[in-house]
Amino acid sequence: DTGVSQNPRHKITKRGQNVTFRCDPISEHNRLYWYRQTLGQGPEFLTYFQNEAQLEKSRLLSDRFSAERPKGSFSTLEIQRTEQGDSAMYLCASRTTNTGELFFGEGSRLTVL
Amino acid sequence: QQQVKQSPQSLIVQKGGIPIINCAYENTAFDYFPWYQQFPGKGPALLIAIRPDVSEKKEGRFTISFNKSAKQFSLHIMDSQPGDSATYFCAANSPVGGNMLTFGGGTRLMVKP
Repeated sequence: DTGVSQNPRHKITKRGQNVTFRCDPISEHNRLYWYRQTLGQGPEFLTYFQNEAQLEKSRLLSDRFSAERPKGSFSTLEIQRTEQGDSAMYLCASRTTNTGELFFGEGSRLTVL
Repeated sequence: QQQVKQSPQSLIVQKGGIPIINCAYENTAFDYFPWYQQFPGKGPALLIAIRPDVSEKKEGRFTISFNKSAKQFSLHIMDSQPGDSATYFCAANSPVGGNMLTFGGGTRLMVKP
């Protein structure tokens, strides 16, 4: 399967714990995006990388959130000191520079108790 | 402010009917307008997309109508089937700041047999 891969698919954690999600994009895609989707809503942009450089961050990305993409391959999204409001589906997507098609993974669902 | 407004929030049609989902946008810099289909527990998948220099695009049973002057676009699903029951999101791409997609709020479609 050469699509966007995300894991874990589901994470249940207690408030205050740290969680990390991983995204493996389609191999030839140099742009990688993280979105957050809450129940019944459309995806909201969080951040994006071109190769290893993080070029844009949304105001939704508080100081407790950090994303990395070492070597321009896979990416991780870490949430520190989780809060119940962080409960959502975290979607990763990738695309090449010169195309509009954005391919999404199946998401990592976070539940904060 | 970049925003995409989608309506209706939910839609029920009989098999064979033609559901129509509408979206409106404000930012005239948007340069690409995709529609995504999402099934429960899955990530969004690209369905069909249009660029603003075209007024209509058809792929199989799916048609996008685009009205640049009104800043509106819509998705029509011909001969709808129960398997089309899903949530549909319109989106708009901004060519600045990373080619970020801004999504509408979604339309939950149910096609009754």
